[in-house]
Amino acid sequence: EAGVTQSPTHLIKTRGQQATLRCSPISGHTSVYWYQQALGLGLQFLLWYDEGEERNRGNFPPRFSGRQFPNYSSELNVNALELEDSALYLCASSLFPEAYEQYFGPGTRLTVT
Amino acid sequence: GQQLNQSPQSMFIQEGEDVSMNCTSSSIFNTWLWYKQEPGEGPVLLIALYKAGELTSNGRLTAQFGITRKDSFLNISASIPSDVGIYFCAGHGTGNQFYFGTGTSLTVIP
Repeated sequence: EAGVTQSPTHLIKTRGQQATLRCSPISGHTSVYWYQQALGLGLQFLLWYDEGEERNRGNFPPRFSGRQFPNYSSELNVNALELEDSALYLCASSLFPEAYEQYFGPGTRLTVT
Repeated sequence: GQQLNQSPQSMFIQEGEDVSMNCTSSSIFNTWLWYKQEPGEGPVLLIALYKAGELTSNGRLTAQFGITRKDSFLNISASIPSDVGIYFCAGHGTGNQFYFGTGTSLTVIP
């Protein structure tokens, strides 16, 4: 069974640009979560999508947004990039509400210069 | 956002030693998860706990859901070099959000 996949692996942008990150959940999983992991820090919750709807968002500005498609894949958009947005962005999926176990993808390393 | 207090922050141990780490929260959680993350990769789920007092093992790993529902513990017995990585706890309460610990970095010296 394929795990959670994310693309691209690495992304380099300049300040002010927009970044789009993509995630495909494990087959059968309907919930997708996005996290930001800055260097040397823990995971900060960004967004949670389930059945195409945004269920919750973390304490991040509105320029962080996303969506979930009918096939349950998801996209994270970051507008007006700032230097401090440089981080590893992790996507996870789960069989909500059957289980709270989240399975993570390998992440997208975003570098803002 | 809220983060769990995880300790210790880092550990340097000899191969074969046992390891203990814990996570505490000011809030009650209904689910505790433990993950391991290696450099350049996403976290991998190790153990999930769903009941206060629950003790669950996965090979040499054992985790417990604290009775107060505000803490959890992870033990690794007879450590080996491939145990190296950062271990994260995660808790889920009544809200639609998981909170992650700050991580425990484990180094195993052969």
